[in-house]
Amino acid sequence: SQQGEEDPQALSIQEGENATMNCSYKTSINNLQWYRQNSGRGLVHLILIRSNEREKHSGRLRVTLDTSKKSSSLLITASRAADTASYFCATDGGSGNTGKLIFGQGTTLQVKP
Amino acid sequence: EAGVAQSPRYKIIEKRQSVAFWCNPISGHATLYWYQQILGQGPKLLIQFQNNGVVDDSQLPKDRFSAERLKGVDSTLKIQPAKLEDSAVYLCASSFPQGAGLLAFFGQGTRLTVV
Repeated sequence: SQQGEEDPQALSIQEGENATMNCSYKTSINNLQWYRQNSGRGLVHLILIRSNEREKHSGRLRVTLDTSKKSSSLLITASRAADTASYFCATDGGSGNTGKLIFGQGTTLQVKP
Repeated sequence: EAGVAQSPRYKIIEKRQSVAFWCNPISGHATLYWYQQILGQGPKLLIQFQNNGVVDDSQLPKDRFSAERLKGVDSTLKIQPAKLEDSAVYLCASSFPQGAGLLAFFGQGTRLTVV
């Protein structure tokens, strides 16, 4: 079964705007990750946030985590056409050290030039 | 560093035929995953290996799907016989190290079309 639910399912913005995607999950976690997938390609890891962290930055990416609400958000600032892709959150489902990785359904982002 | 290699990239078969996919993970990565991704959906875990042992295969349709990871390196995923609903992209990923802080690296995937 899928762990995460991303919201919105699809997002269309103009270049230069910010894009925010949300992820909700069901079980306790040790960490949560965000991945990106360009059309027809494999997934690429973007950022990992641990359960004891509330916010993390990487370049134009900002991830927040609220374990009390079992939710995370990914913010992409100053978006570019090249950011057009699908974005997925993934959790370990609280599996400890088994390396489990469960993905949500994803948000499809279109950035118009 | 070489990435995760998968082959073939594309495969078209008729229903009830058999098909096999191959994956070569990143050298030294102990954990290997096979995911099924149906168009418009997120990747669904089929099976997870730790070295050559199975960690999780709870969502693998064992009546038709099988997977092995010989010597804890390469892996093959087989479907026999295929059904129309098996049309999807099959993604292989590997990760290191085990547990907290693991990052998964994905191959390009094999796009299977069952007609």
